[in-house]
Amino acid sequence: DGGITQSPKYLFRKEGQNVTLSCEQNLNHDAMYWYRQDPGQGLRLIYYSQIVNDFQKGDIAEGYSVSREKKESFPLTVTSAQKNPTAFYLCASSNQQVTSYNEQFFGPGTRLTVL
Amino acid sequence: GESVGLHLPTLSVQEGDNSIINCAYSNSASDYFIWYKQESGKGPQFIIDIRSNMDKRQGQRVTVLLNKTVKHLSLQIAATQPGDSAVYFCAEKTGGYSTLTFGKGTMLLVSP
Repeated sequence: DGGITQSPKYLFRKEGQNVTLSCEQNLNHDAMYWYRQDPGQGLRLIYYSQIVNDFQKGDIAEGYSVSREKKESFPLTVTSAQKNPTAFYLCASSNQQVTSYNEQFFGPGTRLTVL
Repeated sequence: GESVGLHLPTLSVQEGDNSIINCAYSNSASDYFIWYKQESGKGPQFIIDIRSNMDKRQGQRVTVLLNKTVKHLSLQIAATQPGDSAVYFCAEKTGGYSTLTFGKGTMLLVSP
């Protein structure tokens, strides 16, 4: 059963704690993305990775960090420096070919709440 | 930076009606557009896409229209069903390896 998995579905964090959200894909996609979604808002790009061991900041990278040690995995760490981390976090992946037009496939999301 | 936006935040229709969801984009360099559907508490699902060299594309019960002159994108859903109730996002891509820019979304409410 191919796709993108995110875990956990719900996550609670105390202020001042770092927390890591998991994202795994078995679609053999080169590119992976992390988005943040706030209520009634669109998706905002946090980080993306086009290839293993490489990643770039998106529009709202401050307070977040990522790693891409394996093609299938792109974990996101929400650090204590993120001022307002409560949100719905979405991971996505896509094929990455210069001449193609690639939809992004999304995972089910992780809802993070800071207590 | 340039962004994608939507005209209507909420659209309410009766079951069986046709629905039209609109989207304005501002980046004339965008060459690819996608519509996503997001149900409550879930990740977005791909509906249909269109390249900038096209002005219309049809899928199953859905049609996307692209008007590059006025930088406008629309999603038409035929015979809307209660299961179509969701938030719909348009997204644009400016070519190459660039990322997608998403609009804020339109909530579609379908009543039986």
